[in-house]
Amino acid sequence: AQTVTQSQPEMSVQEAETVTLSCTYDTSESDYYLFWYKQPPSRQMILVIRQEAYKQQNATENRFSVNFQKAAKSFSLKISDSQLGDAAMYFCAYRTYNAGNMLTFGGGTRLMVKP
Amino acid sequence: DADVTQTPRNRITKTGKRIMLECSQTKGHDRMYWYRQDPGLGLRLIYYSFDVKDINKGEISDGYSVSRQAQAKFSLSLESAIPNQTALYFCATSDSGTSGDQETQYFGPGTRLLVL
Repeated sequence: AQTVTQSQPEMSVQEAETVTLSCTYDTSESDYYLFWYKQPPSRQMILVIRQEAYKQQNATENRFSVNFQKAAKSFSLKISDSQLGDAAMYFCAYRTYNAGNMLTFGGGTRLMVKP
Repeated sequence: DADVTQTPRNRITKTGKRIMLECSQTKGHDRMYWYRQDPGLGLRLIYYSFDVKDINKGEISDGYSVSRQAQAKFSLSLESAIPNQTALYFCATSDSGTSGDQETQYFGPGTRLLVL
């Protein structure tokens, strides 16, 4: 079974600075998808960014980018120019290419942004 | 208007009661999911449905049942609620088509359930 690990329960960053959230996963699959979701205090799960494992290029979405290291099974999220609105829980998630669309989530990282 | 809605948003019930959580979507997606979130554990899959006639158990289906009344509606039932089912419940949808976005799941706002 696949597992997703987020080793940082909490992180903090100064406003306008850059922060990196870590995620590692365990799988025997070669094709899969990886996601970062944001959960603000409103509880809504919001997709931040996704990465297809077959793509070597790291995904980027405005201030959010990933460092995808397939061999190391690592998928970190970098937030540049952090804003107060970035404060939230961040979840890393994995999905196999073939089976069931089921997402496996990590335990989450709480990001605090200091003004 | 939200694409994925859940009702109720908050619910308090007593042990042994039957309760139903409902999910509706206007995204036109064929696949729907129910997840449970407990503190520190991320989200775990309870049930999923690929179409109206297809229901599958997820990682933690014991104590739960589901009904896919229509493509746009997917409800989760707790036949006899117990305190350890206190959690945040999320519905999600995805598209099996060729839109290029078919691998992404979109979540509802969640239902906070407290079982006393």
